[in-house]
Amino acid sequence: DAKTTQPPSMDCAEGRAANLPCNHSTISGNEYVYWYRQIHSQGPQYIIHGLKNNETNEMASLIITEDRKSSTLILPHATLRDTAVYYCIVRGSNYGGSQGNLIFGKGTKLSVKP
Amino acid sequence: SAVISQKPSRDICQRGTSLTIQCQVDSQVTMMFWYRQQPGQSLTLIATANQGSEATYESGFVIDKFPISRPNLTFSTLTVSNMSPEDSSIYLCSAGASTNEKLFFGSGTQLSVL
Repeated sequence: DAKTTQPPSMDCAEGRAANLPCNHSTISGNEYVYWYRQIHSQGPQYIIHGLKNNETNEMASLIITEDRKSSTLILPHATLRDTAVYYCIVRGSNYGGSQGNLIFGKGTKLSVKP
Repeated sequence: SAVISQKPSRDICQRGTSLTIQCQVDSQVTMMFWYRQQPGQSLTLIATANQGSEATYESGFVIDKFPISRPNLTFSTLTVSNMSPEDSSIYLCSAGASTNEKLFFGSGTQLSVL
């Protein structure tokens, strides 16, 4: 089962920041938080991941709380092309068996509106 | 980053037949996984494709129905056997170099079973 909880849907105005929350209260010390998104009819696209420090790349920022029980993905200036389902995933760091895979929950459907 | 090619991109099949889906990665990867995405649903992990040994299947998936091969570090196949309309889904391959690095996804195979 997925180890994360996300709101099923969110709206955001074009040009504004989109802040997508995720709860992962049972995360363990060696598990990473990954974010992917899936635009209709395409394979999931990697956005960002982190362990405990905040991370930023050209697509987004990831803010992880100090206790690591929740995180927020921030798209600083949302565009219409950012409309997608966003998945927050907790992933183990131990290679072997099923530890390295991604277990997807239901995600958040983000709708960016003009 | 790795580029993943899946073939075929879509197919329409008759019930009772089998379809083999190919996944080719443009670089050597440690991990390869197969997922299924039923209409309107999130992704479900089918199995981990292990190089040189039998695949590791998730609960609810069996080798007789979804045989998987992985002859080397860049290639894997998933066969959907004795298909029924319930097997109509998108099947996705993913691959990655290590457990704390991103997993990449193919664009998927859209399978319709009549």
